[in-house]
Order: sequence, then C-alpha cells, then structure tokens
Amino acid sequence: GAVVSQHPSRVICKSGTSVKIECRSLDFQATTMFWYRQFPKQSLMLMATSNEGSKATYEQGVEKDKFLINHASLTLSTLTVTSAHPEDSSFYICSAREGGAGGELFFGEGSRLTVL
Amino acid sequence: KNQVEQSPQSLIILEGKNCTLQCNYTVSPFSNLRWYKQDTGRGPVSLTIMTFSENTKSNGRYTATLDADTKQSSLHITASQLSDSASYICVVSGQAGTALIFGKGTTLSVSS
Repeated sequence: GAVVSQHPSRVICKSGTSVKIECRSLDFQATTMFWYRQFPKQSLMLMATSNEGSKATYEQGVEKDKFLINHASLTLSTLTVTSAHPEDSSFYICSAREGGAGGELFFGEGSRLTVL
Repeated sequence: KNQVEQSPQSLIILEGKNCTLQCNYTVSPFSNLRWYKQDTGRGPVSLTIMTFSENTKSNGRYTATLDADTKQSSLHITASQLSDSASYICVVSGQAGTALIFGKGTTLSVSS
C-alpha cells in the first residue's frame, strides 16, 4: 500500500532555533498534503493544507509566519517551525491524499518535537 | 456547521469482548467516511473508507457501518485483543474540494 514517510521522527532543539520536518509520499503523487499537531491524549488538530505549487491554507489561529509550509513537488512537503519555543513542543503529523477529494488518505508516522 | 462527533470519549473493555464506537456527523454534502486507528506516538492507520452507497465494510475484526440518512457510522470490534488499545478516529469528507472533518476520537483500552 501507499506509504507516507516523515523525517525526523524525533527532534530535540534549543529554544530560538528553527526545525524542518519533511513529509514524503513514497509511491504516489500527492497534490494535497495536510499538517497536524497533536498534544498528549488529545485529537489531531489540522494546522494547514499544503497544495503543490501554491501557498498553504492555514487554519484559524495557526501563525503562518511561525509554521512555514512548502510543497515544492508532488511528493514532498516540508513544515518549518521557526524560532521554536517550549510551547511548540508537540507531535506533528502529516498526511497525503492519493488522487482527488475521495482518495485514500495516508498518514506519516509523526515527528516528536521537543524544544528545550 | 460541519461537525463530527464521536462517542464514547473513552472506553475500557476486557480482552475477548466486543465493542462498538459511534460517529455522528453533520457534514453536507457528504462524500465519504473513514475510520482510522492511531496507536500512541504513531500516525493513524486506515481501517475503512465508506462512500454514500455503502452500508457496511469489514476489515478483519473491524466492521464499519454507515447510515447516510441519519448521518451515523459505527465501528464494531469483535473479539478484542490487547493490541486494539488505541485511539479510533472518524474522518468525514465533503464532496470535491471541501475539507476533511476530524472527530476527536475514542480512546479504547483493552485489558487482560
């Protein structure tokens, strides 16, 4: 089956640094990818929808200058957490949709970010 | 407003027992409904995807039902195993171009 790969799976950084997380669809092209964050014991929260070749659409309350999303190709989207602070520590997950709106949605394994 | 409500919020059952999780939605127009299993610290994994015309779909010990008239879906787990302990997420998609709406999930704990 289709696979979505996320990297890194875990990252620890100092406050004030920027961290980039990659999301790749390994065997299909994804015009649309999604980024979520998840706090412990809580549900997934959609942060933004990433469209290949165009600007991402951010959910209300998500700072676009804080969470930079780039979807440069049909198989790669990146999320950069800029000037990370401890409150940005969370589990970040991406998903990629195969095909159109009714296509299967595949999730990455997630990236655990810890900001010291 | 498009919403997806899941119940119960959490559930504890004994190994070997059956259980049913509920998902009610108000998303309209409707395209499909998906159930995902998310183990702690992992990404969600697809269990089933159902379109408007499908009433039931099985995946091993998991059986999902859909009533598009009442906008309700259920996920039935048969003969539960310890490895079924996870969060189960219901996701509803509107027709082309509309967003995916996520439920908050049901946390299932299976104990021996």
